[in-house]
Amino acid sequence: GAVVSQHPSRVICKSGTSVKIECRSLDFQATTMFWYRQFPKQSLMLMATSNEGSKATYEQGVEKDKFLINHASLTLSTLTVTSAHPEDSSFYICSVSDRGNQPQHFGDGTRLSIL
Amino acid sequence: GQQLNQSPQSMFIQEGEDVSMNCTSSSIFNTWLWYKQDPGEGPVLLIALYKAGELTSNGRLTAQFGITRKDSFLNISASIPSDVGIYFCAGPPMDSNYQLIWGAGTKLIIKP
Repeated sequence: GAVVSQHPSRVICKSGTSVKIECRSLDFQATTMFWYRQFPKQSLMLMATSNEGSKATYEQGVEKDKFLINHASLTLSTLTVTSAHPEDSSFYICSVSDRGNQPQHFGDGTRLSIL
Repeated sequence: GQQLNQSPQSMFIQEGEDVSMNCTSSSIFNTWLWYKQDPGEGPVLLIALYKAGELTSNGRLTAQFGITRKDSFLNISASIPSDVGIYFCAGPPMDSNYQLIWGAGTKLIIKP
């Protein structure tokens, strides 16, 4: 069965809108979750590491004020794309791992399209 | 930093053929993971390898962790249409067990 639930699967919205994506760990308590971004025909690019009860760790070049991450519980992390613009359109995927160990298990992704 | 070189970039095969793809690195990895990604979905874990020399099967899929810890291969036997997709190798860098470095992917296409 599914290990990770990601919602919504697809979002289409106007420029300037803020969009929230949820990632839920279904099988275990995830102190760490990961947020990735994937452009067409490319591999996954890690955006940030979400840590339960503390601030997320962002990769170089990822704006923390643009991509807000909240990891308020051991089963839920949210990514909010604030004031989204067309260049933010992409496929966003979260992953979880049991106690921070490998392997990571991925959600089904969220296709974000900003008009 | 550490990188994974995955090949081939794409493969065009006939249904029923066997498939082989591999990943190499100039540095050592302690874990090798193989994922498959279908269009519009997240990657799904196929096989996880944790020991050098380890050979693991999952149905028609077989993967091995190279003895030098710098390479891994994935084989698919008797391919079927649902094998179409992009296959990625990945592994945690030496300085972080929980992050992942990704190969560029191998796109598998089955000719009708």
